[in-house]
Amino acid sequence: EAGVTQFPSHSVIEKGQTVTLRCDPISGHDNLYWYRRVMGKEIKFLLHFVKESKQDESGMPNNRFLAERTGGTYSTLKVQPAELEDSGVYFCASSWGTGYEQFFGPGTRLTVL
Amino acid sequence: TQLLEQSPQFLSIQEGENLTVYCNSSSVFSSLQWYRQEPGEGPVLLVTVVTGGEVKKLKRLTFQFGDARKDSSLHITAAQPGDTGLYLCAGESGYSTLTFGKGTMLLVSP
Repeated sequence: EAGVTQFPSHSVIEKGQTVTLRCDPISGHDNLYWYRRVMGKEIKFLLHFVKESKQDESGMPNNRFLAERTGGTYSTLKVQPAELEDSGVYFCASSWGTGYEQFFGPGTRLTVL
Repeated sequence: TQLLEQSPQFLSIQEGENLTVYCNSSSVFSSLQWYRQEPGEGPVLLVTVVTGGEVKKLKRLTFQFGDARKDSSLHITAAQPGDTGLYLCAGESGYSTLTFGKGTMLLVSP
């Protein structure tokens, strides 16, 4: 069974540009999470989807970040416009249900120059 | 804001040595999880502890949850080079939201 996949694995963009990250959860997992690790800091929660609905988006840093999960399958996280402090590794995780084990993808390393 | 402090941040040991990694918080969590992360990959769950005072063993790894459910430790016996990696603790406080520590980078040399 395929695990959580993320695309791209790396992205290098200039400040002010737009980037869209994609996450494909494990098939059948209704819960999808986005996390981010900024260099030198801990992994931090961004938001949680249950199917296509946002269950908790308390970790989203500001309105430059937009997450969607149309149809309740894959999810995208768009950063527009990107700032230098957005650089980091963005992880996606999925779980069968709330409170169940979260399976993490390999992450997308975003570098904003 | 709930914080998890992990110590030490880095640990370099020889094969066969024992080690303990600590995870401390001022807050109570409903459960505490330990993950291991290797370069280029996401964190992989090792164990979840739920009950205060709980001890779980996974081969040479022993995990303990403090009585007050605020702290935890990971003890590795006779470390091997394959144990090298980043060890993360994460607390869960309802709604599946995880709060992570910064991690302990372990290097085991042959």
